[in-house]
Amino acid sequence: ELKVEQNPLFLSMQEGKNYTIYCNYSTTSDRLYWYRQDPGKSLESLFVLLSNGAVKQEGRLMASLDTKARLSTLHITAAVHDLSATYFCAVDKGGDMRFGAGTRLTVKP
Amino acid sequence: NAGVTQTPKFRVLKTGQSMTLLCAQDMNHEYMYWYRQDPGMGLRLIHYSVGEGTTAKGEVPDGYNVSRLKKQNFLLGLESAAPSQTSVYFCASTIGGANYGYTFGSGTRLTVV
Repeated sequence: ELKVEQNPLFLSMQEGKNYTIYCNYSTTSDRLYWYRQDPGKSLESLFVLLSNGAVKQEGRLMASLDTKARLSTLHITAAVHDLSATYFCAVDKGGDMRFGAGTRLTVKP
Repeated sequence: NAGVTQTPKFRVLKTGQSMTLLCAQDMNHEYMYWYRQDPGMGLRLIHYSVGEGTTAKGEVPDGYNVSRLKKQNFLLGLESAAPSQTSVYFCASTIGGANYGYTFGSGTRLTVV
């Protein structure tokens, strides 16, 4: 069964610092996604990663994928308050998409 | 372009009542999904559909039924609501294939008392 684990589940950062969120999954997959969710809102798609070694960047966020290790990372560079949200990774295999529990990120001034 | 529309947005049910949640998409997407989101547990897949007339079970299908009679609509039914089904329900859709992300609806907040 496809299982997805994220860590940490809670992350409190100072503005300007760097940090990484990890996403491990249990079986081979077709695609890996990162989403952002603000409180009381729906999910916003951030990245879609397809192949081993894939790296995508948008602003202060960079996602990477290692399919051999079944690991994806979401790296935050020089965090700002606006990045405070919950971040989810999700893995898709044959149309069945499963989510990690999410990482609640709080960026403090 | 409305994207993914969920109705209703809020609902309170009494235990044992039934209801249907509607998800409609106008993007001609093949794949549609129903998730529930509970505090601290992320999103869990209830049922999904890979095309009109098809449905499949996800992680937590018990107590729910679905139908995909038209490509643009995916209905989620609760036959006899229980307090454990209090949750926020999200619908999502995708065209399928590589490099395509998912579009999520705004959610339905359901409370069963």
